[in-house]
Amino acid sequence: DTAVSQTPKYLVTQMGNDKSIKCEQNLGHDTMYWYKQDSKKFLKIMFSYNNKELIINETVPNRFSPKSPDKAHLNLHINSLELGDSAVYFCASSQVSGSWDEQFFGPGTRLTVL
Amino acid sequence: GDSVTQMEGPVTLSEEAFLTINCTYTATGYPSLFWYVQYPGEGLQLLLKATKADDKGSNKGFEATYRKETTSFHLEKGSVQVSDSAVYFCALSANTGNQFYFGTGTSLTVIP
Repeated sequence: DTAVSQTPKYLVTQMGNDKSIKCEQNLGHDTMYWYKQDSKKFLKIMFSYNNKELIINETVPNRFSPKSPDKAHLNLHINSLELGDSAVYFCASSQVSGSWDEQFFGPGTRLTVL
Repeated sequence: GDSVTQMEGPVTLSEEAFLTINCTYTATGYPSLFWYVQYPGEGLQLLLKATKADDKGSNKGFEATYRKETTSFHLEKGSVQVSDSAVYFCALSANTGNQFYFGTGTSLTVIP
């Protein structure tokens, strides 16, 4: 069974379009995250949700809007895509039980904006 | 604020060589420390972790010891294999448990 899954795996689209990436975890975790990994492999947290509520929102353009319909899902919607949005986006989850939490990552979604 | 500083890569080693990837951290309180590995085309996977000072995390021949006195968590392996080629990330989990801080990643290539 896949613990954290993301769809799609690859996404190629034109500038200006709106797209969504879906994430689901079957681990029963309370917290989910979105990360952006650039071409140099630098990993930056974008958002964190705990039990469907936003708890971390780093400096991310408001074109990016996360949505959590339930605690097992955290989707990422991106409006008016720009060239600089091209990256690999990772979803992750963890159980909020203290500072020893580990995060479980999805396989990533490679977004290419043309 | 909390942060992780990781040795820059890329690192290229011959098979069976000794590996060290340095990681130091800055944190208030007592964070947990992690090493994650990312194989080509995949997401990150937890490699090992340590939750308190002097703890040693180990997995697949890799080890790292949580050193509070030097604020370090260096990753070591005595004999690397070609299959260890990946990007390695040091990470810190703050006391609040909701925020992870990742290092910039170190790319390792092991050649036969």
